Amino acid sequence: AQSVTQPDIHITVSEGASLELRCNYSYGATPYLFWYVQSPGQGLQLLLKYFSGDTLVQGIKGFEAEFKRSQSSFNLRKPSVHWSDAAEYFCAVGAGGSQGNLIFGKGTKLSVKP
Amino acid sequence: GAGVSQSPSNKVTEKGKDVELRCDPISGHTALYWYRQSLGQGLEFLIYFQGNSAPDKSGLPSDRFSAERTGGSVSTLTIQRTQQEDSAVYLCASSLASGPTGELFFGEGSRLTVL
Repeated sequence: AQSVTQPDIHITVSEGASLELRCNYSYGATPYLFWYVQSPGQGLQLLLKYFSGDTLVQGIKGFEAEFKRSQSSFNLRKPSVHWSDAAEYFCAVGAGGSQGNLIFGKGTKLSVKP
Repeated sequence: GAGVSQSPSNKVTEKGKDVELRCDPISGHTALYWYRQSLGQGLEFLIYFQGNSAPDKSGLPSDRFSAERTGGSVSTLTIQRTQQEDSAVYLCASSLASGPTGELFFGEGSRLTVL
């Protein structure tokens, strides 16, 4: 069965520092991979997605993620974090078949120090 | 409205009562999903509607949970005889495309507290 692991529950970085959020997935075929962000009291917003092709995908708000099949990873990165990036980040994998539902990780909460 | 709308935004109920949560998806979106978000547990898939097809109910945790989608648009999630462990944020999402490539657009959720 598909699954997603986000090893870090909470990360704190200084404003202006680089960021990498880890995501590992379990899936038998080529996965559909997503990163969503949830600000406090808000719904989830799609940051970026990977279906095929170039393994480095660019998203909104200056985020990028790299698909590494050999490591079953899809880590999210940003070169310079802004205070407004403080939120919870969720990695997700497509459930497969004809369905559109996603399997989500438990999330990583990002705090940003001034 | 332009986005997915959910109501109520907050609901406090007593154990054993029934509750209904409503989701109004983006106009024209054929796929609709319900997820449950519990503290520290991420998002748990509950149910999926696609057009006029039979819904995928594989994520519903018990027979106290049910959902319907009328006219291919608005959906209602019903929880009967609520229990304290049902306390969570219930998120609804809709998608224009069927299958795993369509982007899910989420509402802001309905926070349910069972006393």
